[in-house]
Amino acid sequence: DTEVTQTPKHLVMGMTNKKSLKCEQHMGHRAMYWYKQKAKKPPELMFVYSYEKLSINESVPSRFSPECPNSSLLNLHLHALQPEDSALYLCASSQGLAGGPFNEQYFGPGTRLTVT
Amino acid sequence: AQSVTQLDSQVPVFEEAPVELRCNYSSSVSVYLFWYVQYPNQGLQLLLKYLSGSTLVESINGFEAEFNKSQTSFHLRKPSVHISDTAEYFCAVSGNTGKLIFGQGTTLQVKP
Repeated sequence: DTEVTQTPKHLVMGMTNKKSLKCEQHMGHRAMYWYKQKAKKPPELMFVYSYEKLSINESVPSRFSPECPNSSLLNLHLHALQPEDSALYLCASSQGLAGGPFNEQYFGPGTRLTVT
Repeated sequence: AQSVTQLDSQVPVFEEAPVELRCNYSSSVSVYLFWYVQYPNQGLQLLLKYLSGSTLVESINGFEAEFNKSQTSFHLRKPSVHISDTAEYFCAVSGNTGKLIFGQGTTLQVKP
């Protein structure tokens, strides 16, 4: 099973709402990632968890709050977002963070977020 | 620092014609190279990868890529494209930092 699942598929939220994105994998991977992708652009790395600990934060605004409850789950909590945060949010996982072949990443289908 | 350059932002091609999507990388460490494909309104799918060994790697749907260390390239080719190959293609490099460095992407438009 090489599947990464994400819910919801689509999300529309107002600037004062609080919502969460969820990601799950059952490949035994120990590294999980959140990316933001704008149309016709490559994914931009936001956060990386390794062995359930936050390893990389790419200077993401605090209105985005990641959480890794266990090795299979990754959440992204959203609060007070701006319209420019509208994008496709992708989750990915890999065996680990050792680099090289361990960084072969498997992506989920994404959550299409619209902030109104 | 590592970087990836995809030389063409858009490649229009007729169905059943051959295609090449170009990718050049810059890295001072050992490289591991990937091609990902993104169909409309979907996530990224790993198309093929070069980790070590044979410099020519193939995917199950007819794409192939050749790792050329002297030219620092990893071009993607297919001898005969289908309408269903229309998608965004991203080349990526992974070094020792644990991050994937993506190119800007190439839109492959296959016309009937």
